[in-house]
Formats: sequence, structure tokens, C-alpha cells
Amino acid sequence: DIQMTQSPSSLSASVGDTITITCQASQDIGQCINWYQQKPGTAPEILIYDSSFLAAGVPSKFSGSGSGTEFTFTISSLQPEDVATYFCQQCASLPLIFGGGTKVEI
Amino acid sequence: EVHLVESGGGAVLPGGSLRLSCVPSGFTFRSYEMNWVRQAPGKGLEWVAYISNTGYTTYYADSVKGRFTITRDNAKNSLTLHMTNLRGDDTAVYFCGRGGYGGPTEHWGRGALVTVS
Repeated sequence: DIQMTQSPSSLSASVGDTITITCQASQDIGQCINWYQQKPGTAPEILIYDSSFLAAGVPSKFSGSGSGTEFTFTISSLQPEDVATYFCQQCASLPLIFGGGTKVEI
Repeated sequence: EVHLVESGGGAVLPGGSLRLSCVPSGFTFRSYEMNWVRQAPGKGLEWVAYISNTGYTTYYADSVKGRFTITRDNAKNSLTLHMTNLRGDDTAVYFCGRGGYGGPTEHWGRGALVTVS
């Protein structure tokens, strides 16, 4: 099984900051990684798919990059509404493992 | 508009069984693979089970293999997760999701809470 190591597990930043979250896959997954945002009490929402493609309706302040085993997810100009937990998930092979999540606070 | 609505959650004793349903709307159900993902209280997301669009291929997380069964009825537009021999660590909100293998889970239900105690 492919394992996904996500870091940091939490971070605190200021309004307007740019933050970066990383995910490392235990083996090559090409670009098959997705990034989700989850706010308390709600279902996850897709933000980025296939490493760098913005899902429909998602603002361009969110971005992703990487291939193989190393991936990054960036939020620019952090705003209070971005407070959430963010998860990566590999989609290259079953089981579809999630990273442990990153809780983002202001 | 795509909607997924889970039902069937509730409280059950350890060793008991429960059947979750997911009713899709707004898209051609038989064309899409589906997944179940769960989230224990205060924890992260855990993928649980996958089923291909035809229903012929299924796959399970090791933590539920042999106890959970994912099925679908494309004629009736329904997705089911049959859970048996439930344990305390199965307590979670269970989400059904469209897609996920080879691409993103684009749409999610609101979730159904299962409490094993």
C-alpha cells in the first residue's frame, strides 16, 4: 500500500500570509494526488486534483505542484475563511490513502 | 446539481450490524465509481471501500476487510455499505463519495454518524 506523509500536522499563520503544506508518497504516484479542504462539521471539498489542477469554482489563491513522491499545496493571501483542515489523498492505486491532515489556524 | 444523501446511521452494540445507504441524484449513477470514506471523532479521513461503476470490482481497507461489504444497484440508483461485526473503532461519520480512483472525489454526501457502543 502507498502511504502518504503530510506535514505539518498544524500551523498558525497571519492574515495575508502564504502557507505551504507538503505530502510525501511512499512510492511514485505520478501526479495522482488530490487536495481537500474540510471545515468542522462538513464534508471535505475538492480543491486541487491531479497535483496542480484547480477544481471548478475554487479560487486561484489555492495551488498545488509536484510529481512522483513529493507534493506541495499552497494557499496565498491567507484569509479567516481559509481556517480548515486540509488533506492530501493519493489516487494512483487502491487503497486510496489520505494524508494525516493539516489544521490551519489564523 | 449533484447530490449524495447518506442514511442508515445510528447507534449499535459491539458485534452488531448496520446498513448504510447513499442515494445519488443529478448525474448518471451507473457511469461513476463510488467510495465510502469515514472520519472518527476528532480524527482524519480514512478511506473505507471502493466499487467500480459496474459493481464488478470492489476493494476494502484492511481495517474493514471481511466485515464490510460495498454494493450498488444501478437500476435503483443506490449505493450500500453493509457493516457487520462492528467494533468501537468503527465509530465515525461515514461519507459516500463519487469518484476517487484515478481522479478526485468530486462530490460528497453530508455523512451518516455510526456509533458503536
